[in-house]
Amino acid sequence: QKEVEQDPGPLSVPEGAIVSLNCTYSNSAFQYFMWYRQYSRKGPELLMYTYSSGNKEDGRFTAQVDKSSKYISVFIRDSQPSDSATYLCAMNRNNAGNMLTFGGGTRLMVKP
Amino acid sequence: EADIYQTPRYLVIGTGKKITLECSQTMGHDKMYWYQQDPGMELHLIHYSYGVNSTEKGDLSSESTVSRIRTEHFPLTLESARPSHTSQYLCASSESGRGGRGETQYFGPGTRLLVL
Repeated sequence: QKEVEQDPGPLSVPEGAIVSLNCTYSNSAFQYFMWYRQYSRKGPELLMYTYSSGNKEDGRFTAQVDKSSKYISVFIRDSQPSDSATYLCAMNRNNAGNMLTFGGGTRLMVKP
Repeated sequence: EADIYQTPRYLVIGTGKKITLECSQTMGHDKMYWYQQDPGMELHLIHYSYGVNSTEKGDLSSESTVSRIRTEHFPLTLESARPSHTSQYLCASSESGRGGRGETQYFGPGTRLLVL
């Protein structure tokens, strides 16, 4: 079983929809949680970063971490066609020396 | 904004050729990484470095080698390319930190390699 699970999708939504993407993980030692967005044929770019449990908002994006359930999510409000990409969750432990464990990514398609 | 560069962006090469994929970052980050990613698939760590003259193999076995002679430069070399090496190669870097954004990795645009 993988340490980090993520539904590969694809997830298709109409423009303007609220999108919820999530990951589950098995290692309770994970402390740092990130979301990356990867456009086709490009490198991942950091979207959101959170430490431990709680919520973090940045514009149309909100990241949530529920460590008790080992579940993280990112919400996209007012989704746009330009949000169409693969979204990767990543996480690491406090003493892991910046080694990240990635989910497999969820492909999102926002249709105009 | 991350400043990490990879060249070439695309490379088509014949079997048996030696190739070097370049990666440079201007952020002064200590740590650098190479990942391999097939289309629509997961990222797999193949090499990493914690600083000059430090290199380690990652989770995925790879026939490639790396070197870290300068902080900003982390090239990956394949001595004899094979069709099985066809993939996208992503370079990343991160700052040594005790928390905060220092734990995050910043990625380059990737090199798409096709070995015929």
